[in-house]
Amino acid sequence: QVQLVESGGGLVHPGGSLRLSCVGSGFNFGDYYMAWVREAPGRGLEWVAAMNPSGSIITYGDSVKGRFTISRDNSQSSLFLDMTDLKVDDTAIYYCAWEDGRRLVHGWGQGVRVIVSS
Amino acid sequence: EVVLTQSPGTLSLSPGEGAILSCRASEDVQYKDLAWYQMKRGQAPRLLIFGGSVRARGIPDKFSGSGSGTDFTLIINEVQVEDSATYYCQQYGSTPRVAFGQGTRLEI
Repeated sequence: QVQLVESGGGLVHPGGSLRLSCVGSGFNFGDYYMAWVREAPGRGLEWVAAMNPSGSIITYGDSVKGRFTISRDNSQSSLFLDMTDLKVDDTAIYYCAWEDGRRLVHGWGQGVRVIVSS
Repeated sequence: EVVLTQSPGTLSLSPGEGAILSCRASEDVQYKDLAWYQMKRGQAPRLLIFGGSVRARGIPDKFSGSGSGTDFTLIINEVQVEDSATYYCQQYGSTPRVAFGQGTRLEI
């Protein structure tokens, strides 16, 4: 069955950096749009970034533009999120997800926790 | 930019009761491009409903969605303890903006 497994979360100081990874299995990863969605305490869900199968189309949420970079390696069925200049408000559970290109999320990972705190 | 407002914020029910969750949009949701997700701590979230009323694969018929325009509803029949979760609505589609509601926490 479709499985998405995230890794790379943790505790980081404000201004720091972190790289999240996601490995997909059970489906042809290279055929699908992939995304990162986060759930922050008290703030609900937020679309972070998304990428089409070839990597030629990338979108970011307004709050992370210029700080976060999404990338993928289809040969390794992997999705990445490089996060820089992290802020306290970036504290959240980050979910790797596959979507249909219209931002309808059909499958999710279990999430990885990122805590930004001094 | 569409704003989705969910109500109630928290819903406390006893097993066997029915749950009615509301999602109201600040403007018409085109083509009924409205989804519902179930989020449980420590578990992978899951898509329940898309297209306003279409159940996703493997979702039991105790979950049903309805609505159009600006008002959408998720109904959960005969809730059980395992239905305890936070439920989010989402507008998706071809527009670049993605909107999520703030969530309804269901406690059984």
